[in-house]
Amino acid sequence: GIQVEQSPPDLILQEGANSTLRCNFSDSVNNLQWFHQNPWGQLINLFYIPSGTKQNGRLSATTVATERYSLLYISSSQTTDSGVYFCAVGDYKLSFGAGTTVTVRA
Amino acid sequence: EAGVAQSPRYKIIEKRQSVAFWCNPISGHATLYWYQQILGQGPKLLIQFQNNGVVDDSQLPKDRFSAERLKGVDSTLKIQPAKLEDSAVYLCASSLDPSRGAKLFGPGTRLTVL
Repeated sequence: GIQVEQSPPDLILQEGANSTLRCNFSDSVNNLQWFHQNPWGQLINLFYIPSGTKQNGRLSATTVATERYSLLYISSSQTTDSGVYFCAVGDYKLSFGAGTTVTVRA
Repeated sequence: EAGVAQSPRYKIIEKRQSVAFWCNPISGHATLYWYQQILGQGPKLLIQFQNNGVVDDSQLPKDRFSAERLKGVDSTLKIQPAKLEDSAVYLCASSLDPSRGAKLFGPGTRLTVL
């Protein structure tokens, strides 16, 4: 199956800081999504981004499909950005990475 | 647009008991997925349905887990009998087209097996 590696595993930020999360995957895929898992466990879809660049407010993502990686950028981080961020890739089904746990301190 | 609905949200049972989870996908979404997420890990696919047919159940522990989607809409996942290691969050997701487009997840059911 497809291998998905996320880095770093943990990230501690001061409020207002910027950060970059990385997702590497082992095979070419048609689908890639970034999720934020809230404290209640729900997976919130941030981006569907099999290729290219997208932005939504303070978040943006870039996927370079030919090089099998994706980046999630968080700018001007807020405490509400805390949580686990997952990258998931696949064709007909999603395989998830282990996640990056982000802690934003006030 | 209503999201993916799941119930119950929480369930506590003792080992060897049975439990069932329910999922109602987004209206019109033909593809439905059940994922298991153990604490500290990423979700793992258990089973994928296309309408009421099973597409992939390769990671479903079939000796104790079963799932059905009889009318191609809502789905039920059952565990019988439960083991301690089944403690996890069970997530349901749906998509319009399995080959493209976002998969959207429900709020999940947190199962604790004592």
